[in-house]
Amino acid sequence: ETGVTQSPTHLIKTRGQQVTLRCSSQSGHNTVSWYQQALGQGPQFIFQYYREEENGRGNFPPRFSGLQFPNYSSELNVNALELDDSALYLCASSLAGQETQYFGPGTRLLVL
Amino acid sequence: EDQVTQSPEALRLQEGESSSLNCSYTVSGLRGLFWYRQDPGKGPEFLFTLYSAGEEKEKERLKATLTKKESFLHITAPKPEDSATYLCAVTGGTSYGKLTFGQGTILTVHP
Repeated sequence: ETGVTQSPTHLIKTRGQQVTLRCSSQSGHNTVSWYQQALGQGPQFIFQYYREEENGRGNFPPRFSGLQFPNYSSELNVNALELDDSALYLCASSLAGQETQYFGPGTRLLVL
Repeated sequence: EDQVTQSPEALRLQEGESSSLNCSYTVSGLRGLFWYRQDPGKGPEFLFTLYSAGEEKEKERLKATLTKKESFLHITAPKPEDSATYLCAVTGGTSYGKLTFGQGTILTVHP
């Protein structure tokens, strides 16, 4: 059974740039959620995707957007990067109707 | 709005010294309470899901319990490899798919 994978592992961008992060869900899982984790904090929910549509969103501005593909993999896009966007971005997958989510290793984003 | 508070923020134990971590929660209609372990720079690793008050689950030296207001993660005879941040999260109400996390407890076990 393949777990959740994310790419890249690390990324450095400058303020104002755009970034795309990628996630492959655990085999058999059809739902993907994205979280932002600042240093020393718990993860914050960004949004969830199911059947290629956004299925719930946290308190993040529209410059945070996402996609889910037919194979259940997903992308997180962030436009107009700000310094405060520096964080660990986590992807989690689950089976629709089940509460437990399984996390990937994360992508560390640094915005300079 | 769902809220999760974990205590203590940090806990230092000697190897073999048992203790408990606390997770207090406020949620409208709890659907699940979750415990994760997170090592520095890594993603959270799933430990337990609890669904209703009175439920208990065990895995090796860890035991999680749930009441209507809080959950405890009991660590029996910890080893240095148990050192990590332990995160508690809940899902509830109509916020499907949204895990609300506490800030975590940093556990350090000294040999």
